[in-house]
Amino acid sequence: GAGVSQTPSNKVTEKGKYVELRCDPISGHTALYWYRQSLGQGPEFLIYFQGTGAADDSGLPNDRFFAVRPEGSVSTLKIQRTERGDSAMYLCASSLNPADRGRGYTFGSGTRLTVV
Amino acid sequence: DQQVKQNSPSLSVQEGRISILNCDYTNSMFDYFLWYKKYPAEGPTFLISISSIKDKNEDGRFTVFLNKSAKHLSLHIVPSQPGDSAVYFCAASSGANSKLTFGKGITLSVRP
Repeated sequence: GAGVSQTPSNKVTEKGKYVELRCDPISGHTALYWYRQSLGQGPEFLIYFQGTGAADDSGLPNDRFFAVRPEGSVSTLKIQRTERGDSAMYLCASSLNPADRGRGYTFGSGTRLTVV
Repeated sequence: DQQVKQNSPSLSVQEGRISILNCDYTNSMFDYFLWYKKYPAEGPTFLISISSIKDKNEDGRFTVFLNKSAKHLSLHIVPSQPGDSAVYFCAASSGANSKLTFGKGITLSVRP
């Protein structure tokens, strides 16, 4: 597609429930990133995929968070047993060539997750 | 601990004047620095970057300056326009995977 698409744009869930957030990167972009932005903060790195594999998952806060990218395109961020502290904007980004670090990458508009 | 710091939460400037947005970092391993701009209800948009081997990079109205010894960089916007009003994030990376560490952002308001 023309840009990075994230669905849903908003998600409200009850504490303890399971949620899935979807990211559809720009076609042909091999690198995909998930970030989380809490109110008043900058985006914080969660996980980076190169192709189908998670090349760096050092930012996932705990084992309730998991992400997959089975075919090297669409990615799903999965959060189990959600907590109120998980409420944030979840941003996905993709890039064509992560080695070209001066180009930055393209972010989607994010999914606003609210845990009540 | 904040490795990338944007200590001023907001800045207001008159249209046509220069906007100077500052950023400090603590990690000496950072070798690329980027600025992103964010409008409400949108994701951050890449603006400009600089490698640690340079001290200046210019793109139209936007110039980024890097002072490695002071671990400080700044984004200059001249002339400022009302459409520049947004949140600006400073970000830094080290290593090959392009993982970015962001500052908290600064809200720029350009008054007509």
